[in-house]
Amino acid sequence: EDQVTQSPEALRLQEGESSSLNCSYTVSGLRGLFWYRQDPGKGPEFLFTLYSAGEEKEKERLKATLTKKESFLHITAPKPEDSATYLCAVQAGGGSYIPTFGRGTSLIVHP
Amino acid sequence: NAGVTQTPKFQVLKTGQSMTLQCAQDMNHEYMSWYRQDPGMGLRLIHYSVGAGITDQGEVPNGYNVSRSTTEDFPLRLLSAAPSQTSVYFCASSYSMGGLYEQYFGPGTRLTVT
Repeated sequence: EDQVTQSPEALRLQEGESSSLNCSYTVSGLRGLFWYRQDPGKGPEFLFTLYSAGEEKEKERLKATLTKKESFLHITAPKPEDSATYLCAVQAGGGSYIPTFGRGTSLIVHP
Repeated sequence: NAGVTQTPKFQVLKTGQSMTLQCAQDMNHEYMSWYRQDPGMGLRLIHYSVGAGITDQGEVPNGYNVSRSTTEDFPLRLLSAAPSQTSVYFCASSYSMGGLYEQYFGPGTRLTVT
């Protein structure tokens, strides 16, 4: 059974204090790993897709990396507007369409 | 494009009542899904569809029905509401990008069953 575990569950940072969120996974043949951002009261919003170990993607202050067992979402010099819940999901190979989601990391950035 | 739209935004039901949550997308995506999101449980898949006329069950399908008569619409029906169905419901659509399916979510429907 595919599993996705995100840590920590919650993270509080001061503005400008860089940190990383972790997504560890077990899946039968990873097809792709996704990161989403979810603001309170809204639906998740797609951020990145990572396809293979060693790959990196960047968007503003966010950088996602992927290894064979986990992915990291690095947040550099965060701002209060980066506060959100970040969700990780994996899609298995073999023609699977259904992703498996982690429970998310709630990030709060204090000014 | 409006993307994925959901109605209503909020709904209160009494136990035993039925209702339909509406979902529509204007991106011509083949794939559509319904999730529920509960505190500490993450997103759980209820039902999904790989095209008009084709639906299948997800992780938590009991108490819910779906149909997909058009590419654009994917309504979720609660047959007889129960307090355990109090949740936030998200509809999502996606299409294949080389076998990968990035999901586009609607704004959600917050349902309370009393």
